[in-house]
Amino acid sequence: DSGVTQTPKHLITATGQRVTLRCSPRSGDLSVYWYQQSLDQGLQFLIQYYNGEERAKGNILERFSAQQFPDLHSELNLSSLELGDSALYFCASSVLQGDTEAFFGQGTRLTVV
Amino acid sequence: GNSVTQMEGPVTLSEEAFLTINCTYTATGYPSLFWYVQYPGEGLQLLLKATKADDKGSNKGFEATYRKETTSFHLEKGSVQVSDSAVYFCALRGKSSGDKLTFGTGTRLAVRP
Repeated sequence: DSGVTQTPKHLITATGQRVTLRCSPRSGDLSVYWYQQSLDQGLQFLIQYYNGEERAKGNILERFSAQQFPDLHSELNLSSLELGDSALYFCASSVLQGDTEAFFGQGTRLTVV
Repeated sequence: GNSVTQMEGPVTLSEEAFLTINCTYTATGYPSLFWYVQYPGEGLQLLLKATKADDKGSNKGFEATYRKETTSFHLEKGSVQVSDSAVYFCALRGKSSGDKLTFGTGTRLAVRP
């Protein structure tokens, strides 16, 4: 158990809909990362938050947004969903310093039909 | 920017064979280097790490040495088992505060009995 909790584990929704994925980081970790893993594109970095503020942005679509709340949990909002958004979405957390690893949740598998 | 290049998979080996998965990187400064493993249906787990040149990370019989001169961090295991079948990701993280993890595309390993 990594200590990072993601909900829900599975999500099936229709095209055009909006979903929210939730992540609770490990106790004490202030930094949260979101990654998308699809079969054809590997592991893609989406966005990073640190203590409530956006820290780094990767290949995140404009239809996607995220935030980190005062209790440090984070949510990833995906809207106007398309079939191609079907993927595993991972959350990871870490302390801020660069020589430490990130700990990953089990992921949310999103299927858009 | 930072980048990681891994050998393409899948890699198929017989049990007890020697494993090498190549990983090279591009980064400014001296990043920390990581190998993560993803077993079927699970999230990513840290396998090993090295935070400075010539460091050797090791875990569960796997090893990787941080080679600054060749900018490489190849993963090796002397005798693989069926239970090692998984996807392996090489990653780096810059030493600057708050730097994100940059992943390679992953290498799928299948070990036959």
